[in-house]
Amino acid sequence: EAGVAQSPRYKIIEKRQSVAFWCNPISGHATLYWYQQILGQGPKLLIQFQNNGVVDDSQLPKDRFSAERLKGVDSTLKIQPAKLEDSAVYLCASSLVRQGAYYGYTFGSGTRLTVV
Amino acid sequence: QQPVQSPQAVILREGEDAVINCSSSKALYSVHWYRQKHGEAPIFLMILLKGGEQKGHDKISASFNEKKQQSSLYLTASQLSYSGTYFCGTVQGGSEKLVFGKGTKLTVNP
Repeated sequence: EAGVAQSPRYKIIEKRQSVAFWCNPISGHATLYWYQQILGQGPKLLIQFQNNGVVDDSQLPKDRFSAERLKGVDSTLKIQPAKLEDSAVYLCASSLVRQGAYYGYTFGSGTRLTVV
Repeated sequence: QQPVQSPQAVILREGEDAVINCSSSKALYSVHWYRQKHGEAPIFLMILLKGGEQKGHDKISASFNEKKQQSSLYLTASQLSYSGTYFCGTVQGGSEKLVFGKGTKLTVNP
């Protein structure tokens, strides 16, 4: 089966600019996650979708980050305006069902964002 | 609550064994283990549910002690391909959120 697709692979922007990342999960996976991974650290959950509804966005900096999952399939994560500390790899993942207790997550290759 | 992994890094020679530990101060429902190679996506290894179960995947196995909120990943007869950073992720009881530890960097040398 096809994996989780993400684009772009790399992005370099200046601070205060905006950027958007795209993710297409595995077909049939109802749950989609966006994680932020800063160099040398574990992934940190930004937002979790169940179909096209938000389950958890408690760690999403809502003053600058937004995400949507229209039609319950692919998803877009946006940052506007970007700050230097947003430099990180943004990982999209999907899982078969909502509860992470039972199924592992499949991650995409990520988008490496550098803010200069 | 982020789980704590130990050690932070370990260097092995091919064929040696290693143990990576993951602990939480909160009651856990499940523990995930992932391996991430440099510049690549984390790859799911296995999931353990509460109940003290143990699982194996080739020469990689794991245990989950629900009472101690601890999990250990065992790598036996390590291969060069085992090199990477290993992350545990924990799901607390009553939550659906998977929280990752900071990772353990494993290097296997010839």
